[in-house]
Amino acid sequence: DTAVSQTPKYLVTQMGNDKSIKCEQNLGHDTMYWYKQDSKKFLKIMFSYNNKELIINETVPNRFSPKSPDKAHLNLHINSLELGDSAVYFCASSQGLQSRDIQYFGAGTRLSVL
Amino acid sequence: AQKITQTQPGMFVQEKEAVTLDCTYDTSDQSYGLFWYKQPSSGEMIFLIYQGSYDEQNATEGRYSLNFQKARKSANLVISASQLGDSAMYFCAMREVYNDMRFGAGTRLTVKP
Repeated sequence: DTAVSQTPKYLVTQMGNDKSIKCEQNLGHDTMYWYKQDSKKFLKIMFSYNNKELIINETVPNRFSPKSPDKAHLNLHINSLELGDSAVYFCASSQGLQSRDIQYFGAGTRLSVL
Repeated sequence: AQKITQTQPGMFVQEKEAVTLDCTYDTSDQSYGLFWYKQPSSGEMIFLIYQGSYDEQNATEGRYSLNFQKARKSANLVISASQLGDSAMYFCAMREVYNDMRFGAGTRLTVKP
């Protein structure tokens, strides 16, 4: 069983479309995250959810919205896709918010906006 | 703000030799965690090793060890007996209490046969 799974692995779409990426973790963790990795491999936090409450929102455009139906799932919805949204998006989870809590990552979703 | 610096964009190592990947960090907090992740060409992010700021001993996980020098704010990753499968991007990361995790720019390691 994959600990953190995200789908789809690849997503190719046109500018202006709306798309979603799903994430599920079976580790029993309380905290989940979305990261964006750009073409230079730089990783940046987008959102964190702890017990279904949004706790961090790093100046991400409001076209991006996380939705968590329960603590095992954190989906990412993106409206009106732009060329600059092309990147790899990673979901991750950790036990909690402590500095010692290891984050485990999904395999990533490569989004290409044409 | 936290800052993680990995000064080596790329490194080469001969198979079976040891290699050290450098990482320095900047924080004013006393309590924080340091992490290393591996990203092979297949793209996934794999957790390798963790070091807490209050841990007195350097962390070790198999062939991976973390050379933690708190006063110098460095957390170098040492890979012993390199294997071809170690070729990948390696990211150093730090997290302060109730703060988000910050990543360095990464080091691309190539293991030569």
